[in-house]
Amino acid sequence: GQSLEQPSEVTAVEGAIVQINCTYQTSGFYGLSWYQQHDGGAPTFLSYNALDGLEETGRFSSFLSRSDSYGYLLLQELQMKDSASYFCAVREGNQGGKLIFGQGTELSVKP
Amino acid sequence: NAGVTQTPKFQVLKTGQSMTLQCAQDMNHEYMSWYRQDPGMGLRLIHYSVGAGITDQGEVPNGYNVSRSTTEDFPLRLLSAAPSQTSVYFCASRPGRDVDTQYFGPGTRLTVL
Repeated sequence: GQSLEQPSEVTAVEGAIVQINCTYQTSGFYGLSWYQQHDGGAPTFLSYNALDGLEETGRFSSFLSRSDSYGYLLLQELQMKDSASYFCAVREGNQGGKLIFGQGTELSVKP
Repeated sequence: NAGVTQTPKFQVLKTGQSMTLQCAQDMNHEYMSWYRQDPGMGLRLIHYSVGAGITDQGEVPNGYNVSRSTTEDFPLRLLSAAPSQTSVYFCASRPGRDVDTQYFGPGTRLTVL
């Protein structure tokens, strides 16, 4: 089967940098993606890595190492509005149709 | 575009009742999925579809049925509701196999008494 591990909670202060790690075990790996969810609302897509290395999108970056089955989401210049849950997810299954999510990391940004 | 829409937003059922949660998308996406999210838990995949007429089981399929007769619609049926099915249900869609950007609906909050 598949499993994804990420920390349950992370706390940081405004303006700081925080890294949320994700390790995975899966068959037929297609790529690692990250989603943000505020207060139980609809999750929204943040970033995706199919190949090893760093992808940067504004204040957010995501990294993947396929050999280590490991990735992370890096959030820079933290703002209060970044307080949310962050999920890593992997694609697998029939034609890559399954997008499986980790348990989520709740990020609290303090002033 | 409305994106992914779900109805109803809230629902209360009694144990043993059946109901259908509706999901529709107007983006012509091939792939659609249903997830449930329980307090403090991640999103668990119930069923998914890679195109009209094709469905497959996810991580927690028991007690749920799906069908995909059109590209736009992907209803989720609860056959005989149980309190363990109290959850928030999210429908999602994405363009196809090689695109990871998945769009979620606003969710249906279901309580089974």
